[in-house]
Amino acid sequence: GAVVSQHPSRVICKSGTSVKIECRSLDFQATTMFWYRQFPKQSLMLMATSNEGSKATYEQGVEKDKFLINHASLTLSTLTVTSAHPEDSSFYICSARDTGGGQPQHFGDGTRLSIL
Amino acid sequence: AQTVTQSQPEMSVQEAETVTLSCTYDTSESDYYLFWYKQPPSRQMILVIRQEAYKQQNATENRFSVNFQKAAKSFSLKISDSQLGDAAMYFCAYLEYGNKLVFGAGTILRVKS
Repeated sequence: GAVVSQHPSRVICKSGTSVKIECRSLDFQATTMFWYRQFPKQSLMLMATSNEGSKATYEQGVEKDKFLINHASLTLSTLTVTSAHPEDSSFYICSARDTGGGQPQHFGDGTRLSIL
Repeated sequence: AQTVTQSQPEMSVQEAETVTLSCTYDTSESDYYLFWYKQPPSRQMILVIRQEAYKQQNATENRFSVNFQKAAKSFSLKISDSQLGDAAMYFCAYLEYGNKLVFGAGTILRVKS
């Protein structure tokens, strides 16, 4: 089945550091990828929709200068948390859609980000 | 905007018994998809079952089945012969064709041995 690889799975870094998270579709091309944020015991909150070759679409309340998204190829999207602070600590999950609009999104395994 | 409501924050079931998780949604569309995802403690998102709105037949995947009531906008998940490995957070999700997934708040399912 379709596989989405997300890396790294765990990041611990100091406040002020920028952190890059990669999301790769391994066996299909993904023109659209999604980035979610999840707090403990809560639902997934969509942060932005990443479109290959164009600017990402951010959800209301998400700072685009804080969460930089790049989707430079059909198999790779990156999320960069710039100048991260403790309040940015969270679980970040990406997903990718391969064909059509009705196919389920294939999820990465997530990245646990801890900012000290 | 579409909304998805899961009214049960937590549910418990005895091993080998059956449990039903509730989900309702709000939409003005006639063609869409509904999903149930499972998120175990590892936090992987695992697709459990999907339902296409234009299909009247309820989807089934082994021990998992849904009761899809389109007019009532209800999409419940039934887990039969519950197993310890079924313990997880379950999310109901709505997908309008070509658009993003909208998730419910989730239901934590505990399985007692």
